Amino acid sequence: GDSVTQMEGPVTLSEEAFLTINCTYTATGYPSLFWYVQYPGEGLQLLLKATKADDKGSNKGFEATYRKETTSFHLEKGSVQVSDSAVYFCALSGTSSASKIIFGSGTRLSIRP
Amino acid sequence: DTGVSQNPRHKITKRGQNVTFRCDPISEHNRLYWYRQTLGQGPEFLTYFQNEAQLEKSRLLSDRFSAERPKGSFSTLEIQRTEQGDSAMYLCASSFEGAVNEQYFGPGTRLTVT
Repeated sequence: GDSVTQMEGPVTLSEEAFLTINCTYTATGYPSLFWYVQYPGEGLQLLLKATKADDKGSNKGFEATYRKETTSFHLEKGSVQVSDSAVYFCALSGTSSASKIIFGSGTRLSIRP
Repeated sequence: DTGVSQNPRHKITKRGQNVTFRCDPISEHNRLYWYRQTLGQGPEFLTYFQNEAQLEKSRLLSDRFSAERPKGSFSTLEIQRTEQGDSAMYLCASSFEGAVNEQYFGPGTRLTVT
């Protein structure tokens, strides 16, 4: 079945460092891909999405490109801030059921001032 | 605030008791979803409704679990005869029918079964 594998955490970086969180997926069809973020004490929020190959999703300085050839959707940010500390989830819309979102296990990111 | 709301936010219960959670979606959304998230894992899909109809259920949703959305607005998730393995965060999300990928999540109900 469809699945998502993402980089295990925790990831600790200094402020203004470059961030990459790796994500790869397995799907039989052509899913939409997402990054969700969960800040401490808050609910899941959609950070960005891409719906077809070579699409780039972007939001709040974060970017991810839908790479069909490598089945990847890596999250990047050029200069992280302390406020980016959160848990990040890579996800896809199930190809057998477009109503269901399948999540990775999450990557906890901590940014040091 | 017009986001998805869930009540209660926390519930502690003893094994064998029944519990019920409520989700109020964003008012214009006709789709409502339930997910379960255990510690250190991503959310797992349980079920979803379009209006009042329950259209899909995961194999994770055992016979002890039942969800309803009687008037196509709020939804309830009931767990009967709770077990320690039911301890988790239960998340609700909602979306428009035409934008099934844009799911908006509530803050969740954290269930602890002792």
